[in-house]
Amino acid sequence: DAKTTQPTSMDCAEGRAANLPCNHSTISGNEYVYWYRQIHSQGPQYIIHGLKNNETNEMASLIITEDRKSSTLILPHATLRDTAVYYCIVRFLSGSARQLTFGSGTQLTVLP
Amino acid sequence: ETGVTQSPTHLIKTRGQQVTLRCSSQSGHNTVSWYQQALGQGPQFIFQYYREEENGRGNFPPRFSGLQFPNYSSELNVNALEPDDSALYLCASSFLDPLSETQYFGPGTRLLVL
Repeated sequence: DAKTTQPTSMDCAEGRAANLPCNHSTISGNEYVYWYRQIHSQGPQYIIHGLKNNETNEMASLIITEDRKSSTLILPHATLRDTAVYYCIVRFLSGSARQLTFGSGTQLTVLP
Repeated sequence: ETGVTQSPTHLIKTRGQQVTLRCSSQSGHNTVSWYQQALGQGPQFIFQYYREEENGRGNFPPRFSGLQFPNYSSELNVNALEPDDSALYLCASSFLDPLSETQYFGPGTRLLVL
């Protein structure tokens, strides 16, 4: 699976949009971009995933650049409960085991 | 809530002992993956089970073993425990499909090995 690069930490004001970047310059054509988050001491929570097109669900939006070398997760109106470590993961959806390879993630702190 | 449950929530063992951790998958899922998360690190893939067979394994020794049952619940067994095995153990269930496979995690079991 391709490696990803994320900032170590970010702050965001409550009520504002949180934009979390991820670089995946070595991504291959059939690798998906997944985002998970982990609130302290809990299991990771799935947020969203995409291949080429931008995606939106009730939690967030995922913007993938045209060359697919980077993406941005957008939380439109951050709340204090969005404080968590956010992981950007790229992975194949083929072959046998389809493990998630977690990096260090971005610690997002939403400030009141 | 993902519908994935794990037991126990916390466990304390001593070096050399054996431990069994349990996971109940989300309804409709046929695949279970196990991860180990040491303090301050991201989760590391241990192995995955699909239709009761091991479907892939990460860089973990054979003393880490698992089972998946017909109802898709799963166990992680660790023999000859070492203090470095102290971690949060996470299971994730999913439905294996050629076009999509999203893993949903349980709350984890925190293991302390003294």
